[in-house]
Amino acid sequence: DIQMTQSPSSLSASVGDRVTITCRASQSISSYLNWYQQKPGKAPKLLIYAASSLQSGVPSRFSGSGSGTDFTLTISSLQPEDFATYYCQQSYSTLYSFGQGTKLEIK
Amino acid sequence: QVQLQESGPGLVKPSQTLSLTCTVSGGSISSGSYYWSWIRQPAGKGLEWIGRIYTSGSTNYNPSLKSRVTISVDTSKNQFSLKLSSVTAADTAVYYCARAVAARPSSPFDYWGQGTLVTVSS
Repeated sequence: DIQMTQSPSSLSASVGDRVTITCRASQSISSYLNWYQQKPGKAPKLLIYAASSLQSGVPSRFSGSGSGTDFTLTISSLQPEDFATYYCQQSYSTLYSFGQGTKLEIK
Repeated sequence: QVQLQESGPGLVKPSQTLSLTCTVSGGSISSGSYYWSWIRQPAGKGLEWIGRIYTSGSTNYNPSLKSRVTISVDTSKNQFSLKLSSVTAADTAVYYCARAVAARPSSPFDYWGQGTLVTVSS
């Protein structure tokens, strides 16, 4: 099984801040890495796929990078609607797996 | 616009079988090359992938649940279904259905249902 580990688990930031969330895979997953945003009581929403491709309709302040085992999600300038929980997910293995989540809170 | 909607009992007794259906609208479940998945999330916890069915009908399951899970598709109703047998309180969670495009790089889950809470309790 491929384990996905996100850091930090939680993060406090202010509107306008630049924020980076890290996701590490237990083995190389090439670029088979996706990022989702989830707000309370809602289904996850796809933000980034294939490590760095922006999903249609997602604001350009979201970006992703990395390959192999180390990946990052960056929000260039936090907006009020960005406070949520973020998950990475690998699709390299048929046994898909998610990171444990990073909760982004308002400072 | 593709939409997915989960349905099924919100309360299941221990040792019984949990049965959920995902109805797909805005597109045919059998056209194109799609993976149709079930994913669950216990309250306050992370996401766990349960399994998927391909447009062709082939399936893949999470090994941790494989002995108890069956995913099937009914193309005539544009639905796919989840059955999870011998449930315990540990199976209490919000259950989501989701779609992934097989040919898309890294096959992300691009459409999700809104989720349905299933509680296992006597």
